[in-house]
Amino acid sequence: QVQLQESGPGLVKPSETLSLSCTVSGGSVTGGSYYWSWIRQSPEKGLEWIGYIYDSGSTGYNPSLKRRVTMSLDTSKNQFSVKLSSVTAADTAVYYCARGGFLNGRFWFDPWGQGTLVIVSS
Amino acid sequence: EIVLTQSPAILSLSPGERVTLSCRASQSVSSNYLGWYQQKPGQAPRLLIYGASTRAAGIPDRFSGSGSGTDFTLTISRLEPEDFAVYYCQQYGSSFFTFGPGTKVEI
Repeated sequence: QVQLQESGPGLVKPSETLSLSCTVSGGSVTGGSYYWSWIRQSPEKGLEWIGYIYDSGSTGYNPSLKRRVTMSLDTSKNQFSVKLSSVTAADTAVYYCARGGFLNGRFWFDPWGQGTLVIVSS
Repeated sequence: EIVLTQSPAILSLSPGERVTLSCRASQSVSSNYLGWYQQKPGQAPRLLIYGASTRAAGIPDRFSGSGSGTDFTLTISRLEPEDFAVYYCQQYGSSFFTFGPGTKVEI
């Protein structure tokens, strides 16, 4: 059973870079044709997809965040990560990692990590 | 950007009742990319339905999804106490994913 766990600082200063990692257990980040994704949730914006990194390393990002987002895979640690630069208070949210995939041509996000709250404040 | 609208925002119901939740898209979306998620307080969203109508593994058959084009529906045939939660629809279009604002099903 695949499980995901987010980790990273819970407090980031404005204008700095938010960095989070997601550790995958019970499965591998490579070879499964999955879209390893980041999704955030705030009262103001609801659920917002940030982007994905495919197990080949190719990426897809939300156009509204694309200029500030970078995602990467670390196969040695079985992790994937997200960096969001130049953060503001509007980036305060619960950040989730999730596995995306296809079955019979149909897409899903499952499972999700438990989420980690990131507050942007000086 | 495809915008998803969910209605109603809040539903007040009793256990045993049947509930129908609506998700409407601002333009036609592929059913293959329409999903429904359940979220309880303090928890991550959980996949219920993908491909508009396919139940995820372990999801009870009281949950069903239907629809196509711009109108999709999640139906819970008989509400159980554990079903009181927020339900979100999600789609993929124009190269990115979006989620609806959610419908809260409360007692």
